[in-house]
Amino acid sequence: EVQLVESGGGLVQPGRSLRLSCAASGFTFDDAAMHWVRQAPGKGLEWVSGINWDSGKIGYADSVKGRFTISRDNAKNSLYLQMNSLRPEDTALYYCAKDRGYSALGDFDYWGQGTLVTVSS
Amino acid sequence: SSELTQDPAVSVALGQTVRITCQGDSLRSFYPSWYQQKPGQAPVLVIYGNNNRPSGIPDRFSGSSSGNTASLTVTGAQADDEADYYCNSRDSSGNLLMVFGGGTKLTVL
Repeated sequence: EVQLVESGGGLVQPGRSLRLSCAASGFTFDDAAMHWVRQAPGKGLEWVSGINWDSGKIGYADSVKGRFTISRDNAKNSLYLQMNSLRPEDTALYYCAKDRGYSALGDFDYWGQGTLVTVSS
Repeated sequence: SSELTQDPAVSVALGQTVRITCQGDSLRSFYPSWYQQKPGQAPVLVIYGNNNRPSGIPDRFSGSSSGNTASLTVTGAQADDEADYYCNSRDSSGNLLMVFGGGTKLTVL
């Protein structure tokens, strides 16, 4: 059974940093591209960042480019999102999502339950 | 970057057929994927590629695409299909960049 478990969310002040983690199990982690997708309270889905199987290709939404860094550790079956210079508009539920392909196809076939990030003073 | 446009809300009578549309330039190059999200739950992939359904998704869900418009069709809508639906596509630039539509709230009457 595929499982994606996010952690690391919480309440943080504007301008501070937070690191999210996603622990993956139930599939061959280094066979899949991975993504972070967020959802602000009451709003729609927003793709945040993606990384292909070997970290050779990485992408970011314009809204987070230069502030967020995605990474993965295939030996630990883990995905990360380092979030710096956080803003109130980054407040959202952050989902880890598995791509159907080893390169990013954009078909997210499994999702975690999300970790909530709240940016507020 | 690309944008995908969806109608905010659509309704359908129980047992009838409804089409949810998604428009965007990237759809001329790539098939979208479609997601169903119910309140308090993570999204679920319902359609990907050229009308492919993941295991466990009922065959009343189907997808089609023409030009810059893609559609998710629910044939014989059930009460359990009431949810938010999102389309997603790769950006046509070739960079690793994805975009979601704004979502469509489907109400089953």
